Amino acid sequence: DQQVKQNSPSLSVQEGRISILNCDYTNSMFDYFLWYKKYPAEGPTFLISISSIKDKNEDGRFTVFLNKSAKHLSLHIVPSQPGDSAVYFCAASSRITDKLIFGTGTRLQVFP
Amino acid sequence: DTGVSQNPRHKITKRGQNVTFRCDPISEHNRLYWYRQTLGQGPEFLTYFQNEAQLEKSRLLSDRFSAERPKGSFSTLEIQRTEQGDSAMYLCASSLARTGDYGYTFGSGTRLTVV
Repeated sequence: DQQVKQNSPSLSVQEGRISILNCDYTNSMFDYFLWYKKYPAEGPTFLISISSIKDKNEDGRFTVFLNKSAKHLSLHIVPSQPGDSAVYFCAASSRITDKLIFGTGTRLQVFP
Repeated sequence: DTGVSQNPRHKITKRGQNVTFRCDPISEHNRLYWYRQTLGQGPEFLTYFQNEAQLEKSRLLSDRFSAERPKGSFSTLEIQRTEQGDSAMYLCASSLARTGDYGYTFGSGTRLTVV
């Protein structure tokens, strides 16, 4: 069963505009949610996280929003830059185990 | 600090052969993880260590797979009698503490192709 879902395989956004990447989860035991960015031929790079006790976390151009009642989180990138073009993975972990459960990723392309 | 190092970067092997991958974590990190990623999927958890103790193994890790972390430093992942379905990117990651706010640091991976 897919506990973390990213239903949009790709997203194309113009430079300077907002990119919104979405993620849904099913397991109410998750207590941390993370976003990773991956370039080709490299490992995933940690971007930003949010605890389940918060509903928003911001770091520069990146903001993650968490809606626990809807079991939904989103990553906002403002303004989007061509260097943001990559695959973005949503991941979650629970109190019980330290492993991360990843979604299938969304490929973001930022064009000039 | 050179990050998480994985060797080799690429491995091509014939079906039925054994392969071994190595991961050198960030030196002060006591937790080490192995993940596998196939095309179009996110990384899937295989196993993790805290120091030299293997604390969790996924049921994805069949008895052909074994991982070790002697002395709590580098780790090896061995696949015996490789099958074509083992073709994937094998990722290693390390962290100092529970995932929490900081995530963990991944290496660049070892791409395995079984022919």
